[in-house]
Amino acid sequence: GQNIDQPTEMTATEGAIVQINCTYQTSGFNGLFWYQQHAGEAPTFLSYNVLDGLEEKGRFSSFLSRSKGYSYLLLKELQMKDSASYLCAVRLDNYGQNFVFGPGTRLSVLP
Amino acid sequence: NAGVTQTPKFQVLKTGQSMTLQCAQDMNHEYMSWYRQDPGMGLRLIHYSVGAGITDQGEVPNGYNVSRSTTEDFPLRLLSAAPSQTSVYFCASRRDRGVVNEKLFFGSGTQLSVL
Repeated sequence: GQNIDQPTEMTATEGAIVQINCTYQTSGFNGLFWYQQHAGEAPTFLSYNVLDGLEEKGRFSSFLSRSKGYSYLLLKELQMKDSASYLCAVRLDNYGQNFVFGPGTRLSVLP
Repeated sequence: NAGVTQTPKFQVLKTGQSMTLQCAQDMNHEYMSWYRQDPGMGLRLIHYSVGAGITDQGEVPNGYNVSRSTTEDFPLRLLSAAPSQTSVYFCASRRDRGVVNEKLFFGSGTQLSVL
């Protein structure tokens, strides 16, 4: 089976840095995606990693270690609008049911 | 550019009723899929399609039916609604299954309650 774990909830203060972890044990691996989902809305794409290392995109960075089955999303200079759920998803292969999603981490940013 | 359009946004059904959730995309995406999202469980794949005339089952297909007669449309049918199908449903599409970093584009979701 496929297993992806994330913390259920996190809280941080406006202006701070927060790291959201994701660990995975899957039958295949063809990339790891992070999505942001505001309450009552659709998930939207944030980042993609397929090779080990850090990918930076403005205030958001994502890290991958394939040997450890581990990724994290780093959010810097937190803003109130960053309050949302963050979904980790593994692409298993190039066809078919190729995305497996984690349960999501609900982040609350406090003033 | 509308992207992925889902209707309706909200629906209440009685046990045993049937209905169709509509999904349409205008991006000429090959791949379309349906997910359900339940608290604490993440998005789970119901059915997917890699092109017109081709569909296959995902992780949780029981009680649902799909068809793909055109590239644009991918409706999801609930055959006989059950309370266990109360969930938020998302349609998602992707451009090209051969592109490794191609992300999913999601519709705005349908909140379904079965009484």
